Amino acid sequence: NAGVTQTPKFQVLKTGQSMTLQCAQDMNHNSMYWYRQDPGMGLRLIYYSASEGTTDKGEVPNGYNVSRLNKREFSLRLESAAPSQTSVYFCASSDMGPMNTEAFFGQGTRLTVV
Amino acid sequence: DAKTTQPTSMDCAEGRAANLPCNHSTISGNEYVYWYRQIHSQGPQYIIHGLKNNETNEMASLIITEDRKSSTLILPHATLRDTAVYYCIVRVAGTGGFKTIFGAGTRLFVKA
Repeated sequence: NAGVTQTPKFQVLKTGQSMTLQCAQDMNHNSMYWYRQDPGMGLRLIYYSASEGTTDKGEVPNGYNVSRLNKREFSLRLESAAPSQTSVYFCASSDMGPMNTEAFFGQGTRLTVV
Repeated sequence: DAKTTQPTSMDCAEGRAANLPCNHSTISGNEYVYWYRQIHSQGPQYIIHGLKNNETNEMASLIITEDRKSSTLILPHATLRDTAVYYCIVRVAGTGGFKTIFGAGTRLFVKA
């Protein structure tokens, strides 16, 4: 059982380049999330998808777009990367039952924009 | 979701109990208290959660005060591998998924 899988694990981009971070979960969860974590900081929510077919902005959505491709996959796109987007990006998923418990996180994508 | 306040860092001797406090004075009646931890730069890991009763699992115990304005995560016998950042989060369960906000957390150092 892989849980939440993110690709790539590491990436270096030049300013202005674009790229898509991929995330897939195999737990049949309805909800998926993208967070970023800057050095020494907590996680900040970029976008989330409460269920297949829906996406909503989180705390820091500017400069990003997302696609909920299907129930399993939720991608994050940087159209024109900026040095301020250098960060570690985490994808997570959770269920949405009445007692929804925890979110499961991937191992992160370490992105450097030069 | 209610805001939480945690100490920036704490030390604990290996083999002793680690008690991590969290203040959430504005918590609502339908908000749960969750604890996560993050080891090195790995993805956060769920530890435990509760509403009003104290909870225990194989990893930790969660003590919530009667007025629910604060809680304590207890790692009963801390090991070096418990060195991590611990996040206390309060959120409503069952609505809108986990679109919660993580604060800076408490950095726990377990020393030999």
